[in-house]
Amino acid sequence: EPEVTQTPSHQVTQMGQEVILRCVPISNHLYFYWYRQILGQKVEFLVSFYNNEISEKSEIFDDQFSVERPDGSNFTLKIRSTKLEDSAMYFCANLLGLATTSSYEQYFGPGTRLTVT
Amino acid sequence: SQQGEEDPQALSIQEGENATMNCSYKTSINNLQWYRQNSGRGLVHLILIRSNEREKHSGRLRVTLDTSKKSSSLLITASRAADTASYFCATASEGAQKLVFGQGTRLTINP
Repeated sequence: EPEVTQTPSHQVTQMGQEVILRCVPISNHLYFYWYRQILGQKVEFLVSFYNNEISEKSEIFDDQFSVERPDGSNFTLKIRSTKLEDSAMYFCANLLGLATTSSYEQYFGPGTRLTVT
Repeated sequence: SQQGEEDPQALSIQEGENATMNCSYKTSINNLQWYRQNSGRGLVHLILIRSNEREKHSGRLRVTLDTSKKSSSLLITASRAADTASYFCATASEGAQKLVFGQGTRLTINP
């Protein structure tokens, strides 16, 4: 069964540094998302991406964040200048997005644990 | 904004018993999805139920949806130690829109 993969599994960075989190979505899926989960808290939506542009973003997704699909397959989340409070598990998710019953299921990757020191 | 909230926050039962978790939300939805998360790991999709459905089954899982009460339940029958995990409900107001997650129920199955 196809899976969403994410790299790296764990990233440690110093405050103020840039990080890029990578996701390889399930092929032929049309919608892409980033979520994050701060330790012990619930999963929070960051941004959705469809047809090569952002379709929705949350208040968390400020100017320090950006997303892109540089080569039509990988889906990346960049944090330009990390803060301590960016420490969290970051999840990529995909959705098939066709007009069929099962196509609204969002499939999540295993996550990248980001630690900002 | 819509929000899924689960109860109980924690549930501990004996292996073989049934586990029921509930989820409530605030606004109209297109679908509701349940996920499992083992400690520190990713989210595993369990089941999706659409707003025009009342009940769905998948193996030992049974999900119900009551849109008049804005609530859903997840029943795991004949629980196993491997079912120990956190379970989250998440709602989408439109089919392909963001999911809004609840705080989750931490389920512990005692052998």
